[in-house]
Amino acid sequence: KAGVTQTPRYLIKTRGQQVTLSCSPISGHRSVSWYQQTPGQGLQFLFEYFSETQRNKGNFPGRFSGRQFSNSRSEMNVSTLELGDSALYLCASSLGWGEQFFGPGTRLTVL
Amino acid sequence: DQQVKQNSPSLSVQEGRISILNCDYTNSMFDYFLWYKKYPAEGPTFLISISSIKDKNEDGRFTVFLNKSAKHLSLHIVPSQPGDSAVYFCAASDTGNQFYFGTGTSLTVIP
Repeated sequence: KAGVTQTPRYLIKTRGQQVTLSCSPISGHRSVSWYQQTPGQGLQFLFEYFSETQRNKGNFPGRFSGRQFSNSRSEMNVSTLELGDSALYLCASSLGWGEQFFGPGTRLTVL
Repeated sequence: DQQVKQNSPSLSVQEGRISILNCDYTNSMFDYFLWYKKYPAEGPTFLISISSIKDKNEDGRFTVFLNKSAKHLSLHIVPSQPGDSAVYFCAASDTGNQFYFGTGTSLTVIP
């Protein structure tokens, strides 16, 4: 069974630009969660989608948004990038409850 | 406000000995807990879980203990192996679909 895939793996953007990250979950998984990891901060929860609906949302500004498609693939968008948005962005999929399985992450660098 | 805390940023253990990684939480509603291992440049890998109806769960060399009254859980790795060197994250949830992660403990197993 294929694992969670994320594209692209690396991104370099400049301040003010926007970026879209993509996540394909494990086949059969209907939940996709997004996390931001920065040094010393652990994994900060961004949002979770289940069956195309945002079910949970963390404490991030509205510049961070996401969506989920009917095939459970998910995208995350960050608009008006700031230097502090530089981080590893991880997505994780699950059946809808319980253990989450992570992709390799997208490393975003904002210059 | 960090609801899940891993107060030891790093831990060094001799190969063959026991590694004990600790995690504290503040929300008494948390009833499902996960441990993950993360290597550099990879996404976290699920290790073991425990629900609040149990106080211990074992899987091979990994055992998780839960002390609900103290709001504390620990991961024991016995015996520790050099390949166990990684960052370990604990995570907690009250819904089973939104998880709060600790900041991680970097384990080094010395051959």
